[in-house]
Amino acid sequence: AQTVTQSQPEMSVQEAETVTLSCTYDTSESDYYLFWYKQPPSRQMILVIRQEAYKQQNATENRFSVNFQKAAKSFSLKISDSQLGDAAMYFCAYRSQGGTYKYIFGTGTRLKVLA
Amino acid sequence: AAGVIQSPRHLIKEKRETATLKCYPIPRHDTVYWYQQGPGQDPQFLISFYEKMQSDKGSIPDRFSAQQFSDYHSELNMSSLELGDSALYFCASSSFSGGYNEQFFGPGTRLTVL
Repeated sequence: AQTVTQSQPEMSVQEAETVTLSCTYDTSESDYYLFWYKQPPSRQMILVIRQEAYKQQNATENRFSVNFQKAAKSFSLKISDSQLGDAAMYFCAYRSQGGTYKYIFGTGTRLKVLA
Repeated sequence: AAGVIQSPRHLIKEKRETATLKCYPIPRHDTVYWYQQGPGQDPQFLISFYEKMQSDKGSIPDRFSAQQFSDYHSELNMSSLELGDSALYFCASSSFSGGYNEQFFGPGTRLTVL
């Protein structure tokens, strides 16, 4: 069975600075997807970025980028130029390429942005 | 763009009562997923449906049942409610017609069991 681990329960970053959130996973599959979701106080789950395992190039979405290390089974999220609106819970999630596509979430990292 | 609709948004029940949560997927989405997120926890997969058939089952208690109807909306029925059932219940939908199959999450139903 696949597992997702987020070892940082809470992180803080100064506004305008850069922060990296860590995620590791365990799987025996070769094809899969990885995601970062943001959950603000409203509790809505918002997709931040996704990465296909077969792609070597790291995904980037504006200020958000990932460092995907497939061999190490590591998938970290870098937030550049942090803004107050980035403050939220961030969940790393794994999804198989086949099967029923259910998501397996990590336990989350709470990000605080300091003004 | 249309999003996933969940109703009700908030629900308060007593122990041993029954609750029904509804999910209306994005138009033309054929797959629905249910997740349960307890206080301070990560979302846990409960059950999913594809084309009105159950496609996968996770950590869903036997007291819960769910189905997907002909119009693709889904209902999660919860009986003999317990205090531990208090949680945020997410529904997500996706289209299984090949490709990426991104799941789009609804706003959730917050269930409180007293």
